[in-house]
Amino acid sequence: AQSVAQPEDQVNVAEGNPLTVKCTYSVSGNPYLFWYVQYPNRGLQFLLKYITGDNLVKGSYGFEAEFNKSQTSFHLKKPSALVSDSALYFCAVRDVSSGGSYIPTFGRGTSLIVHP
Amino acid sequence: DSGVTQTPKHLITATGQRVTLRCSPRSGDLSVYWYQQSLDQGLQFLIQYYNGEERAKGNILERFSAQQFPDLHSELNLSSLELGDSALYFCASSVGGNSGGEETQYFGPGTRLLVL
Repeated sequence: AQSVAQPEDQVNVAEGNPLTVKCTYSVSGNPYLFWYVQYPNRGLQFLLKYITGDNLVKGSYGFEAEFNKSQTSFHLKKPSALVSDSALYFCAVRDVSSGGSYIPTFGRGTSLIVHP
Repeated sequence: DSGVTQTPKHLITATGQRVTLRCSPRSGDLSVYWYQQSLDQGLQFLIQYYNGEERAKGNILERFSAQQFPDLHSELNLSSLELGDSALYFCASSVGGNSGGEETQYFGPGTRLLVL
């Protein structure tokens, strides 16, 4: 079975400061991991994904995420937050092991608020 | 703009009624996914169609059904509506069948359903 947890419902950060949105996962095999962002009254937008290869994945809008197998984490980061980054962020995981569902499971989302 | 379109944007109806939500995938995408997003359940996968055929089924109620037409647009039919069906319904699309689970899904803006 695959599951994903976003331990923080809300993250507050000042503009210009680095931000981190946390994601941990549980799979029986290897994971595919995704980050999406949802702006108010909009659909989810793809930010980045980890399939294989380099543990540090760079994505859209200056975001990056680091795959850490030992800690089963895939935290989303950005060196300098913008007010326009304020949105709802979703982590998703897909268990690559045979028999696992190939539809990713989404976390419940973390609301990021960037203060001017 | 993801290239995925959904109509209508908003829908208000009464309990016991039936509604149809429509989705057009990105040009060239063969898979369509339906998701339900509510405050208490988060983002729940309902069903996937690939090139006109049902590909994967999630937590879709028997009162709900979907289909994908030869032009690849999809419709989600919700019947005998209950108050608890009030939610945002998202459609997403991907290039292929996503049999490995690695494909990026592109989300539409959603249909907000309110059942009174």
